[in-house]
Amino acid sequence: SAVISQKPSRDICQRGTSLTIQCQVDSQVTMMFWYRQQPGQSLTLIATANQGSEATYESGFVIDKFPISRPNLTFSTLTVSNMSPEDSSIYLCSVGVSGRAKNIQYFGAGTRLSVL
Amino acid sequence: AQKITQTQPGMFVQEKEAVTLDCTYDTSDPSYGLFWYKQPSSGEMIFLIYQGSYDQQNATEGRYSLNFQKARKSANLVISASQLGDSAMYFCAMGNNNDMRFGAGTRLTVKP
Repeated sequence: SAVISQKPSRDICQRGTSLTIQCQVDSQVTMMFWYRQQPGQSLTLIATANQGSEATYESGFVIDKFPISRPNLTFSTLTVSNMSPEDSSIYLCSVGVSGRAKNIQYFGAGTRLSVL
Repeated sequence: AQKITQTQPGMFVQEKEAVTLDCTYDTSDPSYGLFWYKQPSSGEMIFLIYQGSYDQQNATEGRYSLNFQKARKSANLVISASQLGDSAMYFCAMGNNNDMRFGAGTRLTVKP
């Protein structure tokens, strides 16, 4: 498994501002993922972040709105830019851990974002 | 395309009883993994159990077991001896090479 620290745990932001969420892992991992969970909904993948390359974004998500950094194998950030109330969600990072013919994603505690 | 379906928006179970949460899936990939996660009101996603598509036996982890019926494309989660702390959202997910998709979730409430 992996221990994942995500900061901040929650924040209340004004529209038009940006928030950067940090995700720190206790071991080196190749793949990190960022998800959004809108109120009462399931998880939707925003992007996959591999160290040393540009993040791969899912349909409906763009780099200008959700820039991602992945400077090393234990750390990543997601920025939510020019926020609007529609961005109010839980944002979760996860890491892929491989072993014994299976790949499991472990998650951080999430960032609960409210945009006023 | 991969699809995960959880048809039970909410379930209730009496404390100490067993409960089954349903999950069906659809994929054309021959190799895939099936997962269950628990999400308490705090928001974190807790990994519970994994089943590989080629695994012959159903996965078990403590009070959690996965009833895997490959021909029916179902991967139901069974929680035995329910506890009050089991009250949470439960998500079924399917993944292949770390590309994971989640179902809509089932809210489980354990009654004292």
